[in-house]
Amino acid sequence: DAKTTQPTSMDCAEGRAANLPCNHSTISGNEYVYWYRQIHSQGPQYIIHGLKNNETNEMASLIITEDRKSSTLILPHATLRDTAVYYCIVRASPSGSARQLTFGSGTQLTVLP
Amino acid sequence: DTEVTQTPKHLVMGMTNKKSLKCEQHMGHRAMYWYKQKAKKPPELMFVYSYEKLSINESVPSRFSPECPNSSLLNLHLHALQPEDSALYLCASSQRTVLSSGNTIYFGEGSWLTVV
Repeated sequence: DAKTTQPTSMDCAEGRAANLPCNHSTISGNEYVYWYRQIHSQGPQYIIHGLKNNETNEMASLIITEDRKSSTLILPHATLRDTAVYYCIVRASPSGSARQLTFGSGTQLTVLP
Repeated sequence: DTEVTQTPKHLVMGMTNKKSLKCEQHMGHRAMYWYKQKAKKPPELMFVYSYEKLSINESVPSRFSPECPNSSLLNLHLHALQPEDSALYLCASSQRTVLSSGNTIYFGEGSWLTVV
């Protein structure tokens, strides 16, 4: 499985966009990029995932580079409640075998008032 | 809001006790998971059930015993635990075990376990 690299921590001002980078230079063609976040003392929360194209939902946008070696999660208007550890995960979707989420170290995002 | 419900939220048990953690989902998912999370560390996969059958055991010690009585329920039986087993235990579920577009894993809020 592809390994991901994320900054250990980031700060963002409330109301500004939070851009969280993730490097996955060894990603293969059938591997998806997933983002989860974990607010302190809660279970991980699914945010978004993508394969090649950029994706957007009500929570965030996911920008994947053309070579797929890196991606950026964008929270367009960060609030204090977005303070959490954000995990970028790359997992394959092969047929005939079970592939699960394996969490890396993640990025601690702190939204400052 | 999560649709995966875990009970109890907090559990304190002695090293000679037998206790169980319970997990329930009513989303019709056929894959269920147990993860363990130590403080300031990412979650680590323990077990995977697919269609009520154990499909993955990540070399977990036998003092942890999973059980899937039906497609909506997942238990984790605990016996003779050690203090280092104190952690947050997370249950999760997904439509299938294979990750693909639309097949998202959803997590419960976790059960905090303290072994004394």
